Amino acid sequence: EAQLVESGGGLVQPGESLRLSCSVSGFPFSSYWMSWIRQAPGKRPEWVANINQDGSEKYYVDSVKGRFTIFRDNARNSVDLQMDSLRVEDTATYYCAKRWSLNWFDPWGKGTLVIVSS
Amino acid sequence: EIVLTQSPATLSLSPGDRATLSCRASQSINTNLAWYQHRTGQPPRLLIYQTSNRAPGIPARFSGSGSGTDFTLTISSLESEDFAVYYCQQRQIWITFGQGTRLEI
Repeated sequence: EAQLVESGGGLVQPGESLRLSCSVSGFPFSSYWMSWIRQAPGKRPEWVANINQDGSEKYYVDSVKGRFTIFRDNARNSVDLQMDSLRVEDTATYYCAKRWSLNWFDPWGKGTLVIVSS
Repeated sequence: EIVLTQSPATLSLSPGDRATLSCRASQSINTNLAWYQHRTGQPPRLLIYQTSNRAPGIPARFSGSGSGTDFTLTISSLESEDFAVYYCQQRQIWITFGQGTRLEI
């Protein structure tokens, strides 16, 4: 059974950095694109970033371009999200998900909460 | 940006009832629409992709229909585990989600 487990969330101040990690098991990780999706409290989910199988292609939502970077390590079956210059509006639960068939997402992890507040 | 608008915001029904959830896109997305179920404390789960295809392991009581701008998720006979929040998602132009419909008992 596929499992995705996110870690690294926490409380940070505006302008600080945080790195999220997602550990994957139960499917051939290196064969799939991976994604990060976030959901702020009371808001709709928002796709954040995609990365292809070997890490050579990365795509981001406009609101995080230049501040967030998605990485993957196929040897460790993990996908990370480096978040710099964090803003209050980045406060959300961040989910990693397996992307398949051109931008459907399944399964998802349970998420990790990031709070950006002074 | 394609905006997805779901209705109703909250749907109050009983086990055994039929549920009909709607998702309207701000412009045509052909059939590039998926539905997800999000139960409290669980990760979101893909139910339906490409408007009407059930994801693996999804019971037959879940069905999807529509095209262009108007889409529907139907749950034919509600079971207790179906009470959750449902989101639609499009992939026609980038990726956006609807604001959700809460299905409550």
